[in-house]
Amino acid sequence: KQEVTQIPAALSVPEGENLVLNCSFTDSAIYNLQWFRQDPGKGLTSLLLIQSSQREQTSGRLNASLDKSSGRSTLYIAASQPGDSATYLCAGAAGNKLTFGGGTRVLVKP
Amino acid sequence: GAGVSQSPSNKVTEKGKDVELRCDPISGHTALYWYRQRLGQGLEFLIYFQGNSAPDKSGLPSDRFSAERTGESVSTLTIQRTQQEDSAVYLCASSPSTGTSGRWGEQFFGPGTRLTVL
Repeated sequence: KQEVTQIPAALSVPEGENLVLNCSFTDSAIYNLQWFRQDPGKGLTSLLLIQSSQREQTSGRLNASLDKSSGRSTLYIAASQPGDSATYLCAGAAGNKLTFGGGTRVLVKP
Repeated sequence: GAGVSQSPSNKVTEKGKDVELRCDPISGHTALYWYRQRLGQGLEFLIYFQGNSAPDKSGLPSDRFSAERTGESVSTLTIQRTQQEDSAVYLCASSPSTGTSGRWGEQFFGPGTRLTVL
């Protein structure tokens, strides 16, 4: 059974600092890994998708890496802004579903 | 284009009543998923539809839960005889059968329906 863990559970940084969010998964037989952002009371917004054959994806200030052999993915957010405050979720895709981590709640202080 | 939409956005019901939640996927997306997010907990997979194939119901927590999908369009999730532990946000997602630029399998989520069972 796939288990996805995100560390830390919460993170508070001053504006301008780089953010590093960690995700680990137990079953390497995933076909992709997806990072999402969730704002309070809202649905999930897809940030980055990494296929199992890829090692990283970049979109603007966001960069996500994937190491299937070690069961890890890392989301980097450069030069954080207060608008980056949200909960970030990673999810591994296998079979017919996504298995989600518990999320990292991020607060970027002005 | 339009994203995934869900209705109602909020539903308050009494214990024992039946409820029906609706999901409109992105047009052309063949795959549709339902997830549940209970307060303070992670997202749990409930059910998956892919085209005309038999749905994967492996995540449904009890036989009080059922879902239907009409072709490749609207889906409804029905909870019969609701219990207080059914209170959660129910999220729907859809995914295209093929992806461009390596984005195959990407799931797009709706805003969710917040269900409160009193």
